Amino acid sequence: DIQMTQSPSSLSASVGDRVTITCRASQSIAGYLNWYQQKPGKAPKLLIYAASSLQGGVPSRFSGSGSGTYFTLTITTLQPEDFAVYYCQQSYSTPLTFGQGTKLEIK
Amino acid sequence: EVQLVESGGGLVQPGRSLRLSCAASGFTFDDYAMHWVRRAPGKGLEWVSGISWNSGSIGYADSVKGRFTISRDNAKNSLYLQMNSLRTEDTAFYYCAKGVGAIVHYGMDVWGQGTTVTVSS
Repeated sequence: DIQMTQSPSSLSASVGDRVTITCRASQSIAGYLNWYQQKPGKAPKLLIYAASSLQGGVPSRFSGSGSGTYFTLTITTLQPEDFAVYYCQQSYSTPLTFGQGTKLEIK
Repeated sequence: EVQLVESGGGLVQPGRSLRLSCAASGFTFDDYAMHWVRRAPGKGLEWVSGISWNSGSIGYADSVKGRFTISRDNAKNSLYLQMNSLRTEDTAFYYCAKGVGAIVHYGMDVWGQGTTVTVSS
């Protein structure tokens, strides 16, 4: 199985900051990498698919990059509604696997 | 409106079975792969199972392989998860999710609100 490792596990930032979350795969997954946001009591929301494609309706302050084994999610100009848990997920091969999550908190 | 509504969750004893259902609406169901994803208390997201548009490709997490069975009925716009030999570690919030494409190798762009499964004696 492909292991996905996110860093950091938690992150404190302020409104207006720029933050980057990284995700590493235990083997190459080409560009089969997706990013999700989950808020308490809510279903996950797809932000980025295929490593860098912005899902419809997602603000352009979210962006993704990477290929192979190293990927990043960047949020520019943090907004209050961005404080949540973020997950990466590989869809290269089954079983599909998620990273452990990154909790983005308000500083 | 694209919508997924899960049902069938509840409290069940270890070793027993439960069947989850997911009713889809607002999109052409048989054009897309479908998935089940769960989140156990205090844990992160875990992909449970996925099925391609025509049921030709199915995958499972190692933790449920041999115990859970995913299926779909395209005529009824419905997805199912038959869960047998349930364990306490299967206790979680279970989400139904729509795939971005017809096969399981893409993201999940629409999610239901989830249903709770509690396995306890």
